[in-house]
Amino acid sequence: DAGVTQSPTHLIKTRGQQVTLRCSPKSGHDTVSWYQQALGQGPQFIFQYYEEEERQRGNFPDRFSGHQFPNYSSELNVNALLLGDSALYLCASSPALWGNYGYTFGSGTRLTVV
Amino acid sequence: QKEVEQDPGPLSVPEGAIVSLNCTYSNSAFQYFMWYRQYSRKGPELLMYTYSSGNKEDGRFTAQVDKSSKYISLFIRDSQPSDSATYLCAMSAGGTNAGKSTFGDGTTLTVKP
Repeated sequence: DAGVTQSPTHLIKTRGQQVTLRCSPKSGHDTVSWYQQALGQGPQFIFQYYEEEERQRGNFPDRFSGHQFPNYSSELNVNALLLGDSALYLCASSPALWGNYGYTFGSGTRLTVV
Repeated sequence: QKEVEQDPGPLSVPEGAIVSLNCTYSNSAFQYFMWYRQYSRKGPELLMYTYSSGNKEDGRFTAQVDKSSKYISLFIRDSQPSDSATYLCAMSAGGTNAGKSTFGDGTTLTVKP
């Protein structure tokens, strides 16, 4: 049973560019959340998608946007990249309403902005 | 000040030792408490979750929550070199914030053979 899969695994972008990261949730999971993890820090909540709608959002600017597709997969888009956006971006999935009991995380996309 | 504080370590113990990992928090709305393990270059892996106060045991792992003190702990018995990783605590409030977890910054553990 495949877990959460993310692509690409690594990415290098230039300041000001835009990036799209992709995630396929674990089989049977329909809720997807995105987290940003800077080096040496814990993951920070970006937003959560359920039924193709953004349900919750953390303290991130509008440059961060997302989408969920009918097959529950999700994309994270970041516009006007800043150096400070360099981080590991983690996708996490859970069955609906079970996020309080923990997520299944993917291995992440390492984004470097130069 | 962060909502969730975690001693970053690093923590180094001999194989077979009992390990104690701790987090404190300030948001009294937190009701759900989780511990994750993260190996280098990997995503976090859920180890245990607990609702409200009390203890929960799973094999070599025991999670404790003391809401009155806003303090949670994870104990690892008979630690193994394969337990060497970063351990993250996470919490959520439930209700309208269901699914939004707030993480500590992690404690790095090394178990030496």
